[in-house]
Amino acid sequence: GAVVSQHPSWVICKSGTSVKIECRSLDFQATTMFWYRQFPKQSLMLMATSNEGSKATYEQGVEKDKFLINHASLTLSTLTVTSAHPEDSSFYICSARDGTASTNTEAFFGQGTRLTVV
Amino acid sequence: AQSVSQHNHHVILSEAASLELGCNYSYGGTVNLFWYVQYPGQHLQLLLKYFSGDPLVKGIKGFEAEFIKSKFSFNLRKPSVQWSDTAEYFCAVNAAGGFKTIFGAGTRLFVKA
Repeated sequence: GAVVSQHPSWVICKSGTSVKIECRSLDFQATTMFWYRQFPKQSLMLMATSNEGSKATYEQGVEKDKFLINHASLTLSTLTVTSAHPEDSSFYICSARDGTASTNTEAFFGQGTRLTVV
Repeated sequence: AQSVSQHNHHVILSEAASLELGCNYSYGGTVNLFWYVQYPGQHLQLLLKYFSGDPLVKGIKGFEAEFIKSKFSFNLRKPSVQWSDTAEYFCAVNAAGGFKTIFGAGTRLFVKA
């Protein structure tokens, strides 16, 4: 199947700093990418839908100024957690769908990024 | 809005036991349905998917799921589980032709050797 790569796999940062997470589709063009957040022992919660060349669509309750999303190319979307605080510590996962495939296709997931804010 | 409900949060089985994990979704239109598995320390992998056609879908590792439209259900089954099936299982749905995939809360399966 298609490969989605996230970087970094884990990151520790100080409270108040910003962290950027990258999501790349390695062998396909992803016009749409998705960012999820997974708390321990909980399911994946969709944070936002990232559209290439346009503004991201955020789910209700997700602060768009806190979680900045940029989808500048067909293979790269970035999530920046600004002014991170300990409560932002979580597992962040991206997924992408092949923009050239039919609409009925699954999304492929990255390996996730574990963010710890100290 | 779409939603997905998984009935069991934790399931403990002995090896060779049969497995059925419940999943119900809420959405009025045509849907695509998925089951994903997350092994400890690993990322999500697709087990199987339903888009259309035969409502009984076979996936990898001996798993299958049946889409029952009248019940808005997509239960996952395996006739005989193995210790290596210990993982968390997520049911997911998106609207046919849509992109946003919504996940259920997940079911943690522990298989005793």
